[in-house]
Amino acid sequence: DGGITQSPKYLFRKEGQNVTLSCEQNLNHDAMYWYRQDPGQGLRLIYYSQIVNDFQKGDIAEGYSVSREKKESFPLTVTSAQKNPTAFYLCASSIRQGLGNTEAFFGQGTRLTVV
Amino acid sequence: RKEVEQDPGPFNVPEGATVAFNCTYSNSASQSFFWYRQDCRKEPKLLMSVYSSGNEDGRFTAQLNRASQYISLLIRDSKLSDSATYLCVVRASGTYKYIFGTGTRLKVLA
Repeated sequence: DGGITQSPKYLFRKEGQNVTLSCEQNLNHDAMYWYRQDPGQGLRLIYYSQIVNDFQKGDIAEGYSVSREKKESFPLTVTSAQKNPTAFYLCASSIRQGLGNTEAFFGQGTRLTVV
Repeated sequence: RKEVEQDPGPFNVPEGATVAFNCTYSNSASQSFFWYRQDCRKEPKLLMSVYSSGNEDGRFTAQLNRASQYISLLIRDSKLSDSATYLCVVRASGTYKYIFGTGTRLKVLA
C-alpha cells in the first residue's frame, strides 16, 4: 500500500540530546513537509522540500535540521538547541503544484517527549 | 493577523443538527483550499477540497468566497462519529506551503 511512514510513533529524549525522526513515502511525491503540533494548537511548518537536495525553512525552523538525499526520505533532527521540543511531529507529502487542488498526505506522526 | 483563522469552538451540537464552520484567510493569492479532519491524537486526513463553485460530498458542503476571503464547511444531519477537529487549509499560488488554521472542535452529543 502507498503511504507515508513515520517512525517511531513515540519517542522519549533526555534534555541535551539530539534525536532524528524518520519519514519515508512511497507515493512518488516530490514535495515533503515537517509540521509540529502542540496541544490545542494548529500545525506549524518547520521545514519543507520541493525536490531532492533542496529544502527551505518554514515558520519555526530554529533548533531543527533536515536532509533530502532521496526522494522517498525526509528525516528531521531535533537538536539540543530546540528549547521546547516536546510535541507531536507530523510529516506530509504532496505532488508538485500546478496540478489542481493537490492535497497533502500525512504520516501517523511521532510524539516526542523530553524527559 | 494569522494567515488562516478559525473559531476554535468547541461547537457542541445534538445528533441530527446542522452545523457550519467558517474560516478566513489573509493572502489574496491563495489558490487551493481544503478542509481536513483530525481525530484526537491522530494525523489530519483530507475531508474535502474546496472548489470555486462550491462542492458537496454527502452530508458535507464546502463553499469558497474569494471576494471576502473565507471558506465554509456545512455538516448536515450530524453523527456522533463527526466529533473531531476540523482544520481549514490554504495554499497560495506559486508556493508549496500549506497553511493550517488552528482548527474548530466539534462535539456531537447523543
